[in-house]
Amino acid sequence: DAGITQSPRYKITETGRQVTLMCHQTWSHSYMFWYRQDLGHGLRLIYYSAAADITDKGEVPDGYVVSRSKTENFPLTLESATRSQTSVYFCASSEPNSPLHFGNGTRLTVT
Amino acid sequence: EDQVTQSPEALRLQEGESSSLNCSYTVSGLRGLFWYRQDPGKGPEFLFTLYSAGEEKEKERLKATLTKKESFLHITAPKPEDSATYLCAVLLNTGFQKLVFGTGTRLLVSP
Repeated sequence: DAGITQSPRYKITETGRQVTLMCHQTWSHSYMFWYRQDLGHGLRLIYYSAAADITDKGEVPDGYVVSRSKTENFPLTLESATRSQTSVYFCASSEPNSPLHFGNGTRLTVT
Repeated sequence: EDQVTQSPEALRLQEGESSSLNCSYTVSGLRGLFWYRQDPGKGPEFLFTLYSAGEEKEKERLKATLTKKESFLHITAPKPEDSATYLCAVLLNTGFQKLVFGTGTRLLVSP
């Protein structure tokens, strides 16, 4: 089925560990995004990518790393997880000037 | 600073009781406005795109409208299955696909 798949759906990790969240889309959309959603803050952009090998920072990029070697994949890595990175993470994709389509999220808990 | 504000934060309706959700924005330039529905544990699901003042879009019991300063999501004769959080997002008139999200309105429709 066409769409965006995020994995894992749930993840518990310890402070200081590296963790990677995966995102795969089947539409071949040029843009891909990572957002975090926290109570009281809504959706905040972490990183985005306009095409393969082109990435840029969003509103809250500190502590995160992204890569996009293939159009369909956009993994998000937390290099050394902190408790403040406990959140729900959403991946999205779109074409320019078109609505974003979201995955169902990864709920990450950092203990 | 670009800002999107949604009101009310939460709304409780009886089944069949029509109402409207508001999304007001103060942005440097608007390219479009999107409405999304988000169910618990899921990613936002796209509903409507509006591009210019005066535009209206309809889908079942929902109608979205746009003025120069705000958008409304009108819900006519809602049913319990319309219960969800409704998000609006403004697509800015910048060189890349930048969206500013509101924090959403939580709608609960009681039978």
